[in-house]
Amino acid sequence: DVQLLETGGGLAQPGGSVRLSCFISGLSLHDHRMAWVRQAPGKGLQWVSTISPGGTLYQPDSLKGRFTVSRDPAANTVSLQIDSLRVDDTATYFCARAQHSYCPTATCQLYYFDNWGRGARVIVAS
Amino acid sequence: QSVLTQPSSVSAFPGQSVTISCFGSSSNIANNAVNWYQQFPGEAPRLLIEYDDTRTSGVSRRFSGSRSGTSASLAISGLQSEDEAIYHCGAWDESLHGPVFGGGTTLTVL
Repeated sequence: DVQLLETGGGLAQPGGSVRLSCFISGLSLHDHRMAWVRQAPGKGLQWVSTISPGGTLYQPDSLKGRFTVSRDPAANTVSLQIDSLRVDDTATYFCARAQHSYCPTATCQLYYFDNWGRGARVIVAS
Repeated sequence: QSVLTQPSSVSAFPGQSVTISCFGSSSNIANNAVNWYQQFPGEAPRLLIEYDDTRTSGVSRRFSGSRSGTSASLAISGLQSEDEAIYHCGAWDESLHGPVFGGGTTLTVL
């Protein structure tokens, strides 16, 4: 049974930093893509990053620079550090397993998140 | 602002059917599979439908998905109070080189 547990959220000041960790059980980082997805209060979901089994990091261009993802295969943990925090970084940050492949019967791409943690809330306020 | 467009809310009475739409473009829905997630307040999203119309394990047959052109739909039949939730669509976007989502639709069972 896959379980993902995020830790490290809380209140932080604009310009500061926060580090979130995702403790993973039931699957190995060596075999699966792990992602971070965030959700601002009352808003939709936003993809933050994905790290591949080989350690390659993927992020949207709009978030590159302030978001750093790392992983510890020995501890089966991925972490997300956010620097130069802004008020609009206020959100719940979810750790999730990402699945990415070509569709079985077409040339389309299939990308989804099939296991999620409960999330870690980050509030950026002075 | 979300890349995919969903209505902010839909509502219907128990037993009725409802359809939630998801509008995209040629860089996402037109050429890539759509997935749907169900989210209850204060909880994490749950993958409901993958690859346009494939229900994940344990999902009721009352839920069905479809995709055509640059839009997709999630249909729920025989509405029950337990279906009240926020529903999100998602897909791969070739221009942005990553997954994108809609803004979420809140379903209210009257």
